[in-house]
Amino acid sequence: EPEVTQTPSHQVTQMGQEVILRCVPISNHLYFYWYRQILGQKVEFLVSFYNNEISEKSEIFDDQFSVERPDGSNFTLKIRSTKLEDSAMYFCASSWGTSGYEQYFGPGTRLTVT
Amino acid sequence: QQQVKQSPQSLIVQKGGISIINCAYENTAFDYFPWYQQFPGKGPALLIAIRPDVSEKKEGRFTISFNKSAKQFSLHIMDSQPGDSATYFCAASNPPGNQFYFGTGTSLTVIP
Repeated sequence: EPEVTQTPSHQVTQMGQEVILRCVPISNHLYFYWYRQILGQKVEFLVSFYNNEISEKSEIFDDQFSVERPDGSNFTLKIRSTKLEDSAMYFCASSWGTSGYEQYFGPGTRLTVT
Repeated sequence: QQQVKQSPQSLIVQKGGISIINCAYENTAFDYFPWYQQFPGKGPALLIAIRPDVSEKKEGRFTISFNKSAKQFSLHIMDSQPGDSATYFCAASNPPGNQFYFGTGTSLTVIP
């Protein structure tokens, strides 16, 4: 069964450093998402991406964040200057369509900012 | 503003019992209501989902009940098993995009 993959599984970085989280969505999916989950809290939407551009973003997704689909398979989330409060589990998801289509989630990348 | 409210925060059920988790929403434009199951260290996985044009959907031991007028929906797990022990999240989305608004999660423990 196809699945979303994410690398790395755990990333430790120092405050102020840039990090790039990588995702390989399911191959025939057209919509891509990033969510985050602070430990013990709910999953929060960050951004959605379609046709090589951002379609929606939350207020969490400020100028420190960017997304890119550098090739036909990868989807990345970059945090330019990490803060302590960016420590969370980051989930990538993909779906074939919008409005009622299942989003398939990856296993997540645990980001720890020290 | 919390778009989707979920209760209870935690739930302990005996094996074979019924687990019930409730969610309420505010935005009447929501048109898709999935339930996700998450095991520790894993990403959320879709369990079952419903659209507001039906009042109930059943898949195996899992049932969603949907009350459009009350803006509430619930997950019922029949014959709960220890393997069902996980965190359950309700969610909702509305067109034209597909941003999911998640509830705060329910930690379910099924005691053998």
